[in-house]
Amino acid sequence: AQKITQTQPGMFVQEKEAVTLDCTYDTSDQSYGLFWYKQPSSGEMIFLIYQGSYDEQNATEGRYSLNFQKARKSANLVISASQLGDSAMYFCAMRSPFDSWGKLQFGAGTQVVVTP
Amino acid sequence: DGGITQSPKYLFRKEGQNVTLSCEQNLNHDAMYWYRQDPGQGLRLIYYSQIVNDFQKGDIAEGYSVSREKKESFPLTVTSAQKNPTAFYLCASSFSNPTGELFFGEGSRLTVL
Repeated sequence: AQKITQTQPGMFVQEKEAVTLDCTYDTSDQSYGLFWYKQPSSGEMIFLIYQGSYDEQNATEGRYSLNFQKARKSANLVISASQLGDSAMYFCAMRSPFDSWGKLQFGAGTQVVVTP
Repeated sequence: DGGITQSPKYLFRKEGQNVTLSCEQNLNHDAMYWYRQDPGQGLRLIYYSQIVNDFQKGDIAEGYSVSREKKESFPLTVTSAQKNPTAFYLCASSFSNPTGELFFGEGSRLTVL
């Protein structure tokens, strides 16, 4: 069975600073996808960034980058130059072809609050 | 614009009543999913469907039912058998690639009075 662990329930970060959100995962599959989603208070899930298990380079998407350490089964999200609009809940998630045909398994989330 | 539409956004129900949440997508996705989210928690999978007329139970299917008569539509019925139905419900869809991104609707918030 797969498992996603986010150990930080909440974080405060000052505007313009960088923040790292931790995510570790557990799977015996070789092929899988790792995702980060942002959920603002309005509730919708916004896709941020994706890392495939066979991708050799860390994924980047604007101010978001994913620090992928496959041997450690770690997929931390780095948000650079935080903005007030980054205040939200952040979820790490994983999909695998061999677990219920790719259902998205979520961690418990990290609440980020950006302060001026 | 392509996307996923959930309705209603807010729904109130009395105990003992069934309620159906609508989910429609125009992204031409094969797979569709229903997730439940409780306050301060992650998402848990209720049901998913890979193709029309076929669907599978997720981790918390008890008290819920679904249908997939059309590719674009995947309605979820919360039955009276669901013991704690008050929650935020999210519908999602994706292409057939099982490691690809899921696209989400804006969610439906169900409150049982």
